[in-house]
Amino acid sequence: GAVVSQHPSRVICKSGTSVKIECRSLDFQATTMFWYRQFPKQSLMLMATSNEGSKATYEQGVEKDKFLINHASLTLSTLTVTSAHPEDSSFYICSAPPSGGLTRGANVLTFGAGSRLTVL
Amino acid sequence: GENVEQHPSTLSVQEGDSAVIKCTYSDSASNYFPWYKQELGKRPQLIIDIRSNVGEKKDQRIAVTLNKTAKHFSLHITETQPEDSAVYFCAASRANTGNQFYFGTGTSLTVIP
Repeated sequence: GAVVSQHPSRVICKSGTSVKIECRSLDFQATTMFWYRQFPKQSLMLMATSNEGSKATYEQGVEKDKFLINHASLTLSTLTVTSAHPEDSSFYICSAPPSGGLTRGANVLTFGAGSRLTVL
Repeated sequence: GENVEQHPSTLSVQEGDSAVIKCTYSDSASNYFPWYKQELGKRPQLIIDIRSNVGEKKDQRIAVTLNKTAKHFSLHITETQPEDSAVYFCAASRANTGNQFYFGTGTSLTVIP
């Protein structure tokens, strides 16, 4: 089945530095990828939709300059948390639908394993 | 955008009893409704889904019902087992139009042995 690889799984950084998180679709092409943020014991909050070859679409309230998204190829999307602060500490998860959209019976949204960011 | 509400936020049941989790959505154009199970520190896993042209779907001990008119859908788990303990999320999406998924707030289910 479809596999999404996310890296790194854990990262600790100092306040003011930038952190890049990668999301790769390993056995399928993903023209679209989604980035979610999850606080402890809370739901998945959609941050942005990453589109291959064009600008990402951000959800209301998400700072574009803070969370830079680049969808460099059909298998890679990156999220860069710029000038990270302690309040950016969170669990970030990417996901991707298979190319061509939903198909009958398919596991339509495949999640990466998540990246736990801790900003000191 | 879509607004998905989920209740209850926490649920404890005795092993063998049933558990029901309910969600409502706001966007009448949403037509795909998956349920995900997430264990602590792990990625969400799809457990069952339903499309808007179907009212009910069942897979062994898990079932989902959908009421399009009322814009609500529910997850039913029968004969619960301790390994069912996890956080469950409902989601709503418009299939084939960007596929953005909007998640409910989650339900932490504890099955007491």
